[in-house]
Amino acid sequence: NAGVIQTPRHKVTGKGQEATLWCEPISGHSAVFWYRQTIVQGLEFLTYFRNQAPIDDSGMPKERFSAQMPNQSHSTLKIQSTQPQDSAVYLCASSSGLGGSQNTLYFGAGTRLSVL
Amino acid sequence: AQSVTQPDARVTVSEGASLQLRCKYSYSATPYLFWYVQYPRQGLQMLLKYYSGDPVVQGVNGFEAEFSKSDSSFHLRKASVHWSDSAVYFCAVRYDTNAYKVIFGKGTHLHVLP
Repeated sequence: NAGVIQTPRHKVTGKGQEATLWCEPISGHSAVFWYRQTIVQGLEFLTYFRNQAPIDDSGMPKERFSAQMPNQSHSTLKIQSTQPQDSAVYLCASSSGLGGSQNTLYFGAGTRLSVL
Repeated sequence: AQSVTQPDARVTVSEGASLQLRCKYSYSATPYLFWYVQYPRQGLQMLLKYYSGDPVVQGVNGFEAEFSKSDSSFHLRKASVHWSDSAVYFCAVRYDTNAYKVIFGKGTHLHVLP
């Protein structure tokens, strides 16, 4: 089990360019989460999917951020027209269920996005 | 609004000393409570979790946490820290037992002096 895999580990974009971040959850996990981590804001919830369906996107900036999960093996977070304030570490996590030991979130190492 | 507060942004202790990292949540019922740790350049790993039963829960690497309903707290403790415990520690809460969303505190950066 390779754990949650996030690619790329680092991404540098120019202001106004698009950035796509990839996440491969642990095989068999039914829930996938995206968080954004910055020094100032800490870990901010963005969105999550359950069985590939978007369930809660209450943390997503409405205009330029979108997330998809086209199949059970990967999810993408896309940021259009990136801005310097989008610079952060984006973390993906997966979970196998709701109760008991299934509660645990397993995190990837993150993608560090730098917008110049 | 639901929130998780870690009042100490940074804690410095000497190796071998005891440790307490504080966490308070705002919610009338008992949520799922977690502590996660993040080592440099890595993702987060769960240390322990609580939902019901004995208010003191044991985790990995000698960590334990105590739930207090009256205080709405879930403080993390360790009897004797090691330099390798230096990391960022996050308290987290899942308020809705029927949903997956987990909210994290801002984290406490622990620095253990050798």
